[in-house]
Amino acid sequence: AQSVTQLGSHVSVSEGALVLLRCNYSSSVPPYLFWYVQYPNQGLQLLLKYTSAATLVKGINGFEAEFKKSETSFHLTKPSAHMSDAAEYFCAVSGTGNQFYFGTGTSLTVIP
Amino acid sequence: DGGITQSPKYLFRKEGQNVTLSCEQNLNHDAMYWYRQDPGQGLRLIYYSQIVNDFQKGDIAEGYSVSREKKESFPLTVTSAQKNPTAFYLCASSPGQTRQETQYFGPGTRLLVL
Repeated sequence: AQSVTQLGSHVSVSEGALVLLRCNYSSSVPPYLFWYVQYPNQGLQLLLKYTSAATLVKGINGFEAEFKKSETSFHLTKPSAHMSDAAEYFCAVSGTGNQFYFGTGTSLTVIP
Repeated sequence: DGGITQSPKYLFRKEGQNVTLSCEQNLNHDAMYWYRQDPGQGLRLIYYSQIVNDFQKGDIAEGYSVSREKKESFPLTVTSAQKNPTAFYLCASSPGQTRQETQYFGPGTRLLVL
């Protein structure tokens, strides 16, 4: 079975500060992991994905995530937050038949 | 431009009424999905289809129905049996069925009950 836990439903950071959004996964098979971003009343946009090629994955808009098997984690980071990063972020793991299992999301607020 | 379109953007349902949400993709993807999004609950899978004329129930299929008569279309009907339909509905597609493939999402339909 596959599942994802996102710690922290709300995260606030100051503009220019480090962004860290946490994701832990559970998977009975080698995991494929995804981070998506959602702006209000819009669909989800892929930020990055891990498919076992490299443990450090770089995505769009300066985001990156590191796959740590020993910690079953796939945390999302960005060195310097921008106002435009304020959004909802979802971590997902894929399962049988390419079903995705999503976390409950983390709402990021950027304080000017 | 290739992408996924959902219509309408907002939909209102009266008690006892069935309503249908449209999802169309021109990405030539084989697989399509319907998710329901509620505040604080993330996305939950309603139905998915890996090929034309075939579909499977997801985690919360009760009160919903789908069809997949064409590769590019995957409409979702919210039936009167769905007692709490108010939510944001998202359609997605992926090129195939392998686990590492990205799902691409449409802009969503917000369903409200009158």
